[in-house]
Amino acid sequence: DGGITQSPKYLFRKEGQNVTLSCEQNLNHDAMYWYRQDPGQGLRLIYYSQIVNDFQKGDIAEGYSVSREKKESFPLTVTSAQKNPTAFYLCASSARDTEAFFGQGTRLTVV
Amino acid sequence: QQPVQSPQAVILREGEDAVINCSSSKALYSVHWYRQKHGEAPVFLMILLKGGEQKGHEKISASFNEKKQQSSLYLTASQLSYSGTYFCGTDASGGYNKLIFGAGTRLAVHP
Repeated sequence: DGGITQSPKYLFRKEGQNVTLSCEQNLNHDAMYWYRQDPGQGLRLIYYSQIVNDFQKGDIAEGYSVSREKKESFPLTVTSAQKNPTAFYLCASSARDTEAFFGQGTRLTVV
Repeated sequence: QQPVQSPQAVILREGEDAVINCSSSKALYSVHWYRQKHGEAPVFLMILLKGGEQKGHEKISASFNEKKQQSSLYLTASQLSYSGTYFCGTDASGGYNKLIFGAGTRLAVHP
């Protein structure tokens, strides 16, 4: 079955540590996205990529980094520069003029 | 810039109707509507494209006023399963699905 997979579902980060969230899709979509969601809030765009080896910053890119070496994969690294990383992270992919498909999310907690 | 959704919250009895609005200050190519249950990924409801094309579920209806950059989602004969948070996502990138989401409208349907 086609879909978009995020892992892990839960992630704990120590202060000063970098962590990487995985996102893989087998829908053959060109575009992929990362969103952050805080409790009771909407989805805020972190990074998006329209094509392999190219990506653009969203509204809240500071403290995050991404790569897009393969069409299927768009990992997000939360760096130590992100001072308040505890949140629900959602990855999505889409084709032109169609809906965005979301993964099940990764809940990141700083311990 | 984030689209503005209204109202922020709605409480309904089963069978009642509701309208959720979304407006943007940017010229839009498309508007997407999603529903999210607590702790889950957003689920696609409807996409409205510039020019009048719509794609989505049969029981969901929506409108898109291209001149005013406004969209409305119509929920009729509400069911308990309609409860959740509704988000509009707006695309001003010309169809490349750079979606910017509103803050959401919380809908609670009671028996």
